[in-house]
Amino acid sequence: QVQLQESGPGLVKPSETLSLTCTVSGGSISSYYWSWIRQPPGKGLEWIGYIYYSGSTNYNPSLRSRVTISVDTSKNQFSLKLSSVTAADTAVYYCARHNVQWLPGGAFDPWGQGTLVAVSS
Amino acid sequence: EIVLTQSPGTLSLSPGERATLSCRASQTVSSSYLAWYQQKPGQAPRLLIQGASSRATGIPDRFSGSGSGTDFTLTISRLEPEDFAVYYCQQYGSSPITFGQGARLEIK
Repeated sequence: QVQLQESGPGLVKPSETLSLTCTVSGGSISSYYWSWIRQPPGKGLEWIGYIYYSGSTNYNPSLRSRVTISVDTSKNQFSLKLSSVTAADTAVYYCARHNVQWLPGGAFDPWGQGTLVAVSS
Repeated sequence: EIVLTQSPGTLSLSPGERATLSCRASQTVSSSYLAWYQQKPGQAPRLLIQGASSRATGIPDRFSGSGSGTDFTLTISRLEPEDFAVYYCQQYGSSPITFGQGARLEIK
């Protein structure tokens, strides 16, 4: 079955750019939409944005000015960049697949295990 | 943006009892694109219900979802010890995709 794994630095300095990659195994990245979601410690879930394997994207307006999501179909990966980070960006970052092919209107399943990124000097 | 409000914030029940969790949307959720997730400490959320009432693969039938429009409910018919967790509703029919603030189901 499809599995997702996030990777990237666990510590980022304020004002720098957070960069994470989600590697998809057990299936192709093609034909699906893929999202990034984050969860600050002890708090709820926030959707960051999604990308289609073709490269089209949609971002949460609250983060749009700082977010870039990209895809590399040759590596079966998609990536997140969040610029100008502050302590408020400290969170567990998850990647997930939308579970309907060709359409963004799918629930999130499966999810990666998540990776904690702390923003601190 | 569709705001989802979950109630109650915390529900204290005993194993074997019935749990009812509510999710109210600030606007109509299109095509019943409403999902429920379960999250345990240190784990990623797990999809339970999609399309307001369809159980995801492998989810026990004690979990059921209902509702449409702006009012949705997750019911757990007979609580098992492993069901005590935090539950989130999510709407994925309108952008931005949004989640409720979460509801904690704790052992009484």
